Amino acid sequence: AQRVTQPEKLLSVFKGAPVELKCNYSYSGSPELFWYVQYSRQRLQLLLRHISRESIKGFTADLNKGETSFHLKKPFAQEEDSAMYYCALSRGAQKLVFGQGTRLTINP
Amino acid sequence: KAGVTQTPRYLIKTRGQQVTLSCSPISGHRSVSWYQQTPGQGLQFLFEYFSETQRNKGNFPGRFSGRQFSNSRSEMNVSTLELGDSALYLCASSLTGGPTEAFFGQGSRLTVV
Repeated sequence: AQRVTQPEKLLSVFKGAPVELKCNYSYSGSPELFWYVQYSRQRLQLLLRHISRESIKGFTADLNKGETSFHLKKPFAQEEDSAMYYCALSRGAQKLVFGQGTRLTINP
Repeated sequence: KAGVTQTPRYLIKTRGQQVTLSCSPISGHRSVSWYQQTPGQGLQFLFEYFSETQRNKGNFPGRFSGRQFSNSRSEMNVSTLELGDSALYLCASSLTGGPTEAFFGQGSRLTVV
């Protein structure tokens, strides 16, 4: 069965420090992987998807099939990055399997 | 263009009652998915509808049901409400339901007392 694990429920870093939010998945096929973000009082929104290999708001994520990981990284955290982050997996249909989420807090 | 709209935003129901939640997808989107979000279980997939047909279903009891209309609007219904059904119910729409990004609504927060 497919599963997404985000080992850190809470992550706190200082402004300007690097950020890495961990995501590991289990899936036997070729998954589509996403990072979603939910800012305070806003709706859940897509941050980035692995197939586009783009950088959004300074965040990048690389799919490592060997380690079955899709960690989200940003070299220099900003206060506006404080939010709830969800890693999600899609197996080709519109059924997203979400991790439990990591609440990221950026301290000034 | 207008985003995904969910109604009502908040509601309180009593155990044993039933509830119907509505979701209007982004214009042109034909796939609508529903998710339940709770502090304990996180975000869990309920079901997905595409062109008025249920295509995928999560691991929820039969008390949870849904439907989609010809204009792609979707409703989900929960019968015989239990305290554990208290949650934020999120709807997401996408163009085709394939491996593409989903656009989420703001959710309907259901409290069962």
